[in-house]
This record gives sequence, C-alpha cells and structure tokens, in this order.
Amino acid sequence: QKEVEQNSGPLSVPEGAIASLNCTYSDRVSQSFFWYRQYSGKSPELIMSIYSNGDKEDGRFTAQLNKASQYVSLLIRDSQPSDSATYLCAAPDSSYKLIFGSGTRLLVRP
Amino acid sequence: GAGVSQSPRYKVAKRGQDVALRCDPISGHVSLFWYQQALGQGPEFLTYFQNEAQLDKSGLPSDRFFAERPEGSVSTLKIQRTQQEDSAVYLCASSPYSNTGELFFGEGSRLTVL
Repeated sequence: QKEVEQNSGPLSVPEGAIASLNCTYSDRVSQSFFWYRQYSGKSPELIMSIYSNGDKEDGRFTAQLNKASQYVSLLIRDSQPSDSATYLCAAPDSSYKLIFGSGTRLLVRP
Repeated sequence: GAGVSQSPRYKVAKRGQDVALRCDPISGHVSLFWYQQALGQGPEFLTYFQNEAQLDKSGLPSDRFFAERPEGSVSTLKIQRTQQEDSAVYLCASSPYSNTGELFFGEGSRLTVL
C-alpha cells in the first residue's frame, strides 16, 4: 500500500452539491493531514489541515479524520465551478517529508 | 516578492544538456523543499533544506541531480546530462517552520527534455 492513496477521478458533481473527496493512508505517515488544491497548470495551494480525529470546518470546506479506519475526507459544500481542480491529500512521514497522494480531479458542472 | 518565485518557468533542453532551476523562497522561511511532479501525478519529494543545511536528499533520482542553498535563502536545483525521463514540473516550496506540512509553493519550472 502506498503511504497516501486517492482515487484519481474525475469526480463530477452539479453546481450546489456536496463534493466528497477521500484519502486513505498507511501506518508509515504521521497523524496530521493536509489538503491542497491545484488548478490546472498552477501550483498546489494549502486549503485545509487536520491534526485530530473528527471534523474541522472552514467556510464551505470540512475536513474529516478517522484514525481508526485510516481515512481522511474533504467535503465541499455548495460546490461552485470555480472549485473544479485537483485536490491533493498529503501527510508527513516520520518527520518533515510531506508525502502526497496522486490527487483527485473534481469537476463541478454548472 | 510576496511569494515563492521560481525561474525559469519553462525550459526546453536537448538530451545531455545541463540545466539549473532557481528558487527564491519567501523571506525568512527556514524550510525549503524541492518536489518533482509528473503529469497527472502528485508531487514527489526530492530534497529538503533547513536553512543552508541539506537534511534530506533521499528523493533525488540519481547522482545527476544536485541541489544547494548556500546562504540559506535562494536554492538551485541542477540536473546534469538531462534525460527524457527528467521531463516534469519542478516545484519549490518553503515554510517558516520545520516539521510542518504547511508549505507555500512556487509556480514551478516546467522542464522538457527533447
């Protein structure tokens, strides 16, 4: 199993819907997680971090961490076409090296 | 500048040429990372600096790759004798902290080796 795994998508949702992006991880990463958004041709941008079990909300974004099941999710409420991008899940290994998943491409249909 | 600056943004090299990619991190940022991103993939770790010290170079694909950050600020990633498999986007990221996943990325340098 890779350290951080994501479904490559694309995940297609209609405008206004909830987009749910998932990520699973192995025991080889530390227990803090980061969601980066990457628009086509652009660099990754940090949008959420989560360090403990449960939910963390920031505007339309909610990150969820379930350590028992080793998955982390990102929910985007009221999805907008401008949310169309690739979403990268990342976690550090034993220290500082941030390990990225391959990313899930989200397409929000107007 | 306000963000991480990388140059050149685009580089086309003939196989066998040497290239140098520059990263100017956010002023005062202690940590500096280089990542390689192939099309449709997530960024892959290459190397990490804490100030001027290169603490980890385990991700460098071969001894043709070399990185430095001599004064703890600007960093250069050098690739010698480029090969076609080196074609990728090279991302530089910095952070004011060590041991963090909160990175600020530059726009990247897209390298195409013909």
